[in-house]
Amino acid sequence: DTAVSQTPKYLVTQMGNDKSIKCEQNLGHDTMYWYKQDSKKFLKIMFSYNNKELIINETVPNRFSPKSPDKAHLNLHINSLELGDSAVYFCASSQVQGATNEKLFFGSGTQLSVL
Amino acid sequence: GESVGLHLPTLSVQEGDNSIINCAYSNSASDYFIWYKQESGKGPQFIIDIRSNMDKRQGQRVTVLLNKTVKHLSLQIAATQPGDSAVYFCAENRVGGGNKLTFGTGTQLKVEL
Repeated sequence: DTAVSQTPKYLVTQMGNDKSIKCEQNLGHDTMYWYKQDSKKFLKIMFSYNNKELIINETVPNRFSPKSPDKAHLNLHINSLELGDSAVYFCASSQVQGATNEKLFFGSGTQLSVL
Repeated sequence: GESVGLHLPTLSVQEGDNSIINCAYSNSASDYFIWYKQESGKGPQFIIDIRSNMDKRQGQRVTVLLNKTVKHLSLQIAATQPGDSAVYFCAENRVGGGNKLTFGTGTQLKVEL
């Protein structure tokens, strides 16, 4: 069973479109995240949610809107896509919010290509 | 500024040799360090972690060493195998940092047969 699953795996779209990426975790974790990985493999946190509540928002443009309908799901909606949004987006989860030594469990990523 | 960086972007080793991947960090408040492995087309996978009150921790074929004096972290992989080929990231967190891991830039490990 996949612990953190995100869909779609690949997303190719035109500039200006709106798209969503879905994420689900079956680990019973309280906290979920979105990370962005650029073409140089640099990973940077975008958001974290704890039990449906926004905890971290790393000055991401407001075109990016995460939504957490329940603690097992964290979706990412992106409006008015730009070329610079092209990247791999990773969903992750961890058991407890606020602990320093929490391991993150990552999904397999969504490769977003904006043309 | 705060950063977590790696000395070498690419490391090539022969199968069976030991690999050492290095990482430097700049924030003396960093309290917790993790190594992740990312294979092509997959998400990062946890390998091993270490708290700042330790200087060494061992897992299966992997050892992490922490030198707080020089703010240096290393991952040692014993008897490197082809399946170890991946990008390796170090990441750090700090007291009061919540779950906000800061990742280094990654080292590509290539295992030659």
